[in-house]
Amino acid sequence: AQKVTQAQTEISVVEKEDVTLDCVYETRDTTYYLFWYKQPPSGELVFLIRRNSFDEQNEISGRYSWNFQKSTSSFNFTITASQVVDSAVYFCALSEARRAAGNKLTFGGGTRVLVKP
Amino acid sequence: EAGVAQSPRYKIIEKRQSVAFWCNPISGHATLYWYQQILGQGPKLLIQFQNNGVVDDSQLPKDRFSAERLKGVDSTLKIQPAKLEDSAVYLCASSPRSRTDTQYFGPGTRLTVL
Repeated sequence: AQKVTQAQTEISVVEKEDVTLDCVYETRDTTYYLFWYKQPPSGELVFLIRRNSFDEQNEISGRYSWNFQKSTSSFNFTITASQVVDSAVYFCALSEARRAAGNKLTFGGGTRVLVKP
Repeated sequence: EAGVAQSPRYKIIEKRQSVAFWCNPISGHATLYWYQQILGQGPKLLIQFQNNGVVDDSQLPKDRFSAERLKGVDSTLKIQPAKLEDSAVYLCASSPRSRTDTQYFGPGTRLTVL
């Protein structure tokens, strides 16, 4: 069965500090997809990134960067120079592409990030 | 492009009452999902539709929960009768077609059962 673990439940930083969110996953499939979503106080889940299991290149998008390491089953997320607007709950999720019964997302428990001015 | 729409945004009911939630996916999206998110947890899939057929409802409590997507567009999720433990946010998501497509979420309906 697939599982996603986000060991950090809450991280508090001061604006402009960097913050790294850890994500460790378990799956028996060789083909899968990993995601990060942001959930601000308004409640809507906002898609940030999707990676497939064959692409281990790290990715940078503005102040966001992602480090995918298949050897350690980790997909970590870093916010550089954090801002107050980054305050939210961040979820890591896994989808097994070859499931016969569809591609449900299995979410981690989330990490709440609080950025103080 | 309009996002996933859900209504109502908030609902308060007493236990044993019935409630229904509505979702309109992104235009053209064939796959629709309902997730339940209990406070402090990640969302959990309840049911997945591909067009108007059910793909996965293995985690739907079928004794009290039901869902339909009659014309392959809008969907309704119903709880009858509600229990205290059903208090949660119910999120609807949609994706274009393929099982590998990214899912886009609506704002959710926050249900409180008293």
